[in-house]
This record gives sequence, structure tokens and C-alpha cells, in this order.
Amino acid sequence: QVQLQESGPGLVKPSQTLSLTCTVSGGSISSGGYYWSWIRQHPGKGLEWIGYIYYSGSTYYNPSLKSRVTISVDTSKNQFSLKLSSVTAADTAVYYCARDSQDCSGGSCYSSFDYWGQGTLVTVSS
Amino acid sequence: DIQMTQSPSSLSASVGDRVTITCRASQSISSYLNWYQQKPGKAPKLLIYAASSLQSGVPSRFSGSGSGTDFTLTISSLQPEDFATYYCQQSYSTLHTFGQGTKLEIK
Repeated sequence: QVQLQESGPGLVKPSQTLSLTCTVSGGSISSGGYYWSWIRQHPGKGLEWIGYIYYSGSTYYNPSLKSRVTISVDTSKNQFSLKLSSVTAADTAVYYCARDSQDCSGGSCYSSFDYWGQGTLVTVSS
Repeated sequence: DIQMTQSPSSLSASVGDRVTITCRASQSISSYLNWYQQKPGKAPKLLIYAASSLQSGVPSRFSGSGSGTDFTLTISSLQPEDFATYYCQQSYSTLHTFGQGTKLEIK
């Protein structure tokens, strides 16, 4: 059973960099076939996809956050990480890591987030 | 960006009711549509992928349909554990986007 676990500071000061790590267990990031995503949810609001990384290191970011986001992977630790720079109060949210799985059995490849971490609340405040 | 619009935003229903939630995409997304259930304080849970495929372990009372721009999630007979918020999400575009959510409450 694949499990994901977010870790990192729960409080970040404005203008600083938010840093979170997602540790994957029950499966290897290096095995390929999956993208590894970060998703956030502002308090009481909907879900916003931040970006993903493949085990090879290739990334894709939400254009609305691209200038501030870096996602990296450490296959030796079976972890991937999120850095969000120059944070403001608007970045206060629950941050989730998730596995983006591809189902290609029908000819086309359909992507979905099939495993999620439990989420971690990050508050931006001085 | 592909915009996803769910209706209704909230819904009151009783145990045993049949419930349908709608999701509309701002452009055609073929069948690249997923549905998630989220309970308070928990991560979303995948219910349906590729518009109509039931995720392993999800009860058969959940079903999905649609293609192109219009999609539905149906719960055939509501159970107490189904009261939650439901989100649709498109994976047609690399920039994945979610609907705003539909909160299903007990009547």
C-alpha cells in the first residue's frame, strides 16, 4: 500500500520560502510510471494544483505560481519536495502531496490522483 | 486554463436518496474527468477516473458518466458516510484544474 507523508514547518514568515517534503513509502518513486504532485487547499476553499515532478526530474508548474515554485526529487530517499518563495498570507493553505497515476489500458492515458498525503497546514504570518 | 464548474454548490439529501452532481468544463475534455470525495480534515479520495471508471475499493453506488464538456456523478442510494464535499478534476490539460466543490449535507 502506497503512503505519502508531508513534513515541514507549519509557520512561515511573509517574504520567506515555504519548504515541504513528501516521503513516499510502499513504492519507489524511481520505478517510473507516475508523476508526483503538490496540491493546496486554502482554508474552506477548493483545490489548486501546484505542479508535478517525474522521477527523472522533469517538472511542470501551474503558470500562476511558476515564478515562485520549485519541485525537486531525491530518489535515494524516496522523497520529493516543494519550495515556494516570497510567500504572503495568500499562501496560507493545507498542502497535499499526491501520486498522479496513469491508466493507459484503453488506448488513451487517463491521469488521476490516486494516493494522497494527509495534508499539512502551512500558515504565513509574522 | 480549463475552467470546471460544478452544480449545485451545495445539496441537502436524505439517506437512501439518489443524488446527482454535475460538472461542466469550459472546453471539451473528452473523458479526462475525475471525481473525488473529501471529508472534513481529510485528504480527497479518488472515486471515479476517466469519467466513468470506478476506482478500486469504491462502492458500486457511485457512478460517473459524460464526455466532452458535461459530466455527472451519481450516488444511487445515499449512505450516512457519503455526506462530504465532492470535487471534479480535469486531466485533459497538463494544468490540472478542479471544480469548486459540491457540499452534500444531511436533510
